[in-house]
Amino acid sequence: EPEVTQTPSHQVTQMGQEVILRCVPISNHLYFYWYRQILGQKVEFLVSFYNNEISEKSEIFDDQFSVERPDGSNFTLKIRSTKLEDSAMYFCASSRTSGNTGELFFGEGSRLTVL
Amino acid sequence: GNSVTQMEGPVTLSEEAFLTINCTYTATGYPSLFWYVQYPGEGLQLLLKATKADDKGSNKGFEATYRKETTSFHLEKGSVQVSDSAVYFCALSLYGGATNKLIFGTGTLLAVQP
Repeated sequence: EPEVTQTPSHQVTQMGQEVILRCVPISNHLYFYWYRQILGQKVEFLVSFYNNEISEKSEIFDDQFSVERPDGSNFTLKIRSTKLEDSAMYFCASSRTSGNTGELFFGEGSRLTVL
Repeated sequence: GNSVTQMEGPVTLSEEAFLTINCTYTATGYPSLFWYVQYPGEGLQLLLKATKADDKGSNKGFEATYRKETTSFHLEKGSVQVSDSAVYFCALSLYGGATNKLIFGTGTLLAVQP
């Protein structure tokens, strides 16, 4: 069964360092997303991406964050200069359609720890 | 604003017990409602959904009914199994949204003991 895969599963980094989280969405999906969950808090929407551009982003997704799909298969989230409060589980997701069908397919998550 | 509130966990049950995980929402407009489940070591998976008031979503013995009057979407299962142990997330998506932007609750950890 097709699945979304994320790497790394866990990354530890020093504050101020750049981090890139990678995702391989399901191959025939067209819409891509990043969500995050800080420990003990809600899963929060960060950004959605379609046709090589951002469709929607949340207030959390500031200038420190960027996304790209460099090679038509990977979908990456870059945090330019990490802060302690960026420590969270980051989930990548993809879907075949847009709208509010809610049928997103999620990866296992990448846990980021910023020291 | 739009938000989802679900009951705090962990919820610990014995096998074959009845399960309820409460979920209420606040939304402008007409949301669709979802339950996602995350089994250990896996990503979030859509468990069930309901797209309009009074709809009942069901899957794998789980059910939830979209109650507009109480703004609720409680998850129920008549007889849980050890394999149901997971984290359950309630979520909504707003009609007319540009993308599948889900608004989640905090998740409820369910532990089922044999």
